Amino acid sequence: DIQMTQSPSSLSASVGDRVTITCQASQDISNYLNWYQQKPGKAPKLLIYDASNLETGVPSRFSGSGSGTDFTFTISSLQPEDIATYYCQQYDNLPPTFGQGTKLEIK
Amino acid sequence: QVQLVQSGAEVKKPGSSVKVSCKASGGTFSSYAISWVRQAPGQGLEWMGGIIPIFGTANYAQKFQGRVTITADESTSTAYMELSSLRSEDTAVYYCAKASGEMATIGAFDIWGQGTMVTVSS
Repeated sequence: DIQMTQSPSSLSASVGDRVTITCQASQDISNYLNWYQQKPGKAPKLLIYDASNLETGVPSRFSGSGSGTDFTFTISSLQPEDIATYYCQQYDNLPPTFGQGTKLEIK
Repeated sequence: QVQLVQSGAEVKKPGSSVKVSCKASGGTFSSYAISWVRQAPGQGLEWMGGIIPIFGTANYAQKFQGRVTITADESTSTAYMELSSLRSEDTAVYYCAKASGEMATIGAFDIWGQGTMVTVSS
């Protein structure tokens, strides 16, 4: 199985800050990488697909980049409603696998 | 817009089985894969398997092979996940999720069910 390593595992930032999360794959996955947001008690929500494409209806402060093994997820200006856990997910190979998550908190 | 509605919470004894349903409404069901993803308390997301209803054949994560059965009923637009030989470590929220690409086994999961809590306890 392809291992997905996210960092950091937790992050504290202030409203308005630029926030960056990284995700590294254990092998080349091209751009088959998605990002999700999960709020407590809720199902995950797709934010970014194919590494850099913004899902319909998702605010433009969210963005993604990368290819191969190294990927980045960015929130350009953190808002209070962005408090959540974020996961990357690869789908280059079965089984699709997720990173361990990054818990984002407000400072 | 497709919506996925799952069956309610379950409490099961170790060694028993559980069957969770996921009913789709508001869109095409048969040609989009439905996957099952679980999340143990305080833990991350784990893919268990998936099925494209029109094909009827499921793919499973090796970890669950032999213990999980995923099926789909096109007539009712409902997918099912049955997990057998339950143990305490299977206590988790179980989600169904739709793949975004038509006829694609996996991809981005663009629509999720609300989750079903399964508790395994003696």
